[in-house]
Amino acid sequence: QSALTQPASVSGSPGQSVTISCTGTSSDVGNYNFLSWYQQHPGKVPKLMIYEVSKRPSGVSNRFSGSKSGNTASLTISGLQAEDEAYYYCLSYAGFTTHVFGTGTEVTVL
Amino acid sequence: QVQLVQSGAEVKKPGASVKVSCKASGYTFISYYMHWVRQAPGQGLEWMGIINPSGGSTNYAQKFQGRVTMTRDTSTNTVYMELSSLRSEDTAVFYCARQWGGSSYDYWGQGTLVTVSS
Repeated sequence: QSALTQPASVSGSPGQSVTISCTGTSSDVGNYNFLSWYQQHPGKVPKLMIYEVSKRPSGVSNRFSGSKSGNTASLTISGLQAEDEAYYYCLSYAGFTTHVFGTGTEVTVL
Repeated sequence: QVQLVQSGAEVKKPGASVKVSCKASGYTFISYYMHWVRQAPGQGLEWMGIINPSGGSTNYAQKFQGRVTMTRDTSTNTVYMELSSLRSEDTAVFYCARQWGGSSYDYWGQGTLVTVSS
């Protein structure tokens, strides 16, 4: 099972929007709407930001949104803030109870 | 409140095994699958496998097949992850994470650092 592909890094100025892609295959991202996103600050535990492609858990800012088209999912952070600087990982269901993470993306706020 | 509390850091020699525990509280233990995730220093998250605390069934990532064993103890609401034949590349933080809904992880343990060194 190969990791989903994410850009190594994205950056933006405060207030701007950034989008992180997560590309898989028709066996994982393209076949299921069980795609979630996690934020991880250095040395901290990952935090669920988006589940089932586009749903936000209670307490997560509406500046975070998710979408999917074909084999590629995306996380958009609008109104970028300094606290958004972190690593972001996608996670997809891949069938037969298996899961696969993305390679991770470092978001830098300029 | 939901809590996943993991066992403490371990130092192991190459070839040895390590067993990490994850004690759950604040919810019905057998109602939620549990996953294990590995994160090597400076690296990304890696899915290791899943255990169904209700019946104990498991499924492991192909990469860890033959080296990992996940078990649970319903009397103590604890899941375990044992990794054998350790090598230096297994030095990592290991997390347990509760599956919520279709396939997301809503609660995570605090992580357990396992260092493999001679």
